[in-house]
Amino acid sequence: AQTVTQSQPEMSVQEAETVTLSCTYDTSESDYYLFWYKQPPSRQMILVIRQEAYKQQNATENRFSVNFQKAAKSFSLKISDSQLGDAAMYFCAYRKSGANSKLTFGKGITLSVRP
Amino acid sequence: GAVVSQHPSRVICKSGTSVKIECRSLDFQATTMFWYRQFPKQSLMLMATSNEGSKATYEQGVEKDKFLINHASLTLSTLTVTSAHPEDSSFYICSASIAAGGNYGYTFGSGTRLTVV
Repeated sequence: AQTVTQSQPEMSVQEAETVTLSCTYDTSESDYYLFWYKQPPSRQMILVIRQEAYKQQNATENRFSVNFQKAAKSFSLKISDSQLGDAAMYFCAYRKSGANSKLTFGKGITLSVRP
Repeated sequence: GAVVSQHPSRVICKSGTSVKIECRSLDFQATTMFWYRQFPKQSLMLMATSNEGSKATYEQGVEKDKFLINHASLTLSTLTVTSAHPEDSSFYICSASIAAGGNYGYTFGSGTRLTVV
């Protein structure tokens, strides 16, 4: 079975600084997708970034980028120039390839941003 | 983009009553809907997967007779919590699987906060 591990329950970052959120996963599949979701206090799930396992290039979305290490099964999220609005819970998630596959979530990490 | 509308956003019900939560896909056809439960400061726990026109597949430990899921059309999936008890109080979220150009993603409803008193 696939598992997603986020070992840090909480992190804090100074506004305008950079923070990295860690995530590891375990799978026997070769083709899969990885995601980072943000859940602000409103509790609406927001997609931050996604990575296809077959792509070697790390995904980037504005201030958000990932460090995808397939061999190490590691998928960390880097947030640059942190903003107060980045404060939220962040979930790492995995899905195997194929239509309608389910998402497996990590436990999440609560990120606070200090002004 | 693909939007899932979830209602109600909040509901308070008495113990022993039933509550229905609806998720509608507004601008796409949702062949598969996932239902999650989330406790405060915790992760999303998958309860069941529903496919249009067929019976839902429940995760281990989830009571199918208590959490009734119906996915009768491509735009509507419902979760009914039957004979609700205070321990059923939680945040429930639906999510539809979407596919575009060979890429797969998900769109989430805004969630329902259920309080059983």
